[in-house]
Amino acid sequence: LAKTTQPISMDSYEGQEVNITCSHNNIATNDYITWYQQFPSQGPRFIIQGYKTKVTNEVASLFIPADRKSSTLSLPRVSLSDTAVYYCLVGGTSGTYKYIFGTGTRLKVLA
Amino acid sequence: GAVVSQHPSRVICKSGTSVKIECRSLDFQATTMFWYRQFPKKSLMLMATSNEGSKATYEQGVEKDKFLINHASLTLSTLTVTSAHPEDSSFYICSAQRPGTSGSYEQYFGPGTRLTVT
Repeated sequence: LAKTTQPISMDSYEGQEVNITCSHNNIATNDYITWYQQFPSQGPRFIIQGYKTKVTNEVASLFIPADRKSSTLSLPRVSLSDTAVYYCLVGGTSGTYKYIFGTGTRLKVLA
Repeated sequence: GAVVSQHPSRVICKSGTSVKIECRSLDFQATTMFWYRQFPKKSLMLMATSNEGSKATYEQGVEKDKFLINHASLTLSTLTVTSAHPEDSSFYICSAQRPGTSGSYEQYFGPGTRLTVT
C-alpha cells in the first residue's frame, strides 16, 4: 500500500490558482492516483483520477510526471467555497485494493 | 457521478444499545464497499472491507464482534455498532467501489453518519 505525503495546510486568495502536490514514492506500476475533497461533516467527494501525464476535467487538472512518484492537483481560480481538506490516494487497479488515507491538505481560501 | 447514500445521517443512542447504519449505492452495483470512521480534525481511518456475499475483512485493531458488517446485496451494506459506548462516538463513512472508465476502480463516498453515544 503506497503511502502519500502532502502539505498539512495551505492558504490562498480568491481567484488564484492553487497547486497541491502529493508524494507517493512507493507507487506500484498499476496504481492510479485519485484526489478527493472533503468538507466538514461530509463524505469525501471525488475530484479527479489519473495514471500518467495530465488529466483535466471541469473542476481541476491533475499533473503526473513520468516517474509517477508525485502528482499535483491544480485548482484554477479558487473561491471561498473551495476551502476544504484535499486527499491524495493511490490504488484502484483491482477489486482488492483499499485506500489508506494520509493527513490530507487543509486548504483555506481567503477573501 | 455515482451516488452513495447513508442512513441515518445522525443518531444518538444510549450506552449499551446497538445501532445499525445503512450504506446504499443508488445508481450502480457495488460488490465491494468500505467502512471508515473519522474523528474530529482527523483523517479517515479504514475499518473494514465489505464484500457482497462473503465475510467482511477487518483492519487490524477493529473488533469484528463489535462492528458487524453485512453486505447482503449489490447495493446495500450495513454496519451495526453493538453495545455502543461513548468512545464509539464518531463520524462513520462508507464508500462503494465501481469500475472506472480506464480500467481502474473508483470509490464513491456516502455523506457520513454522526453517531453520538450518551
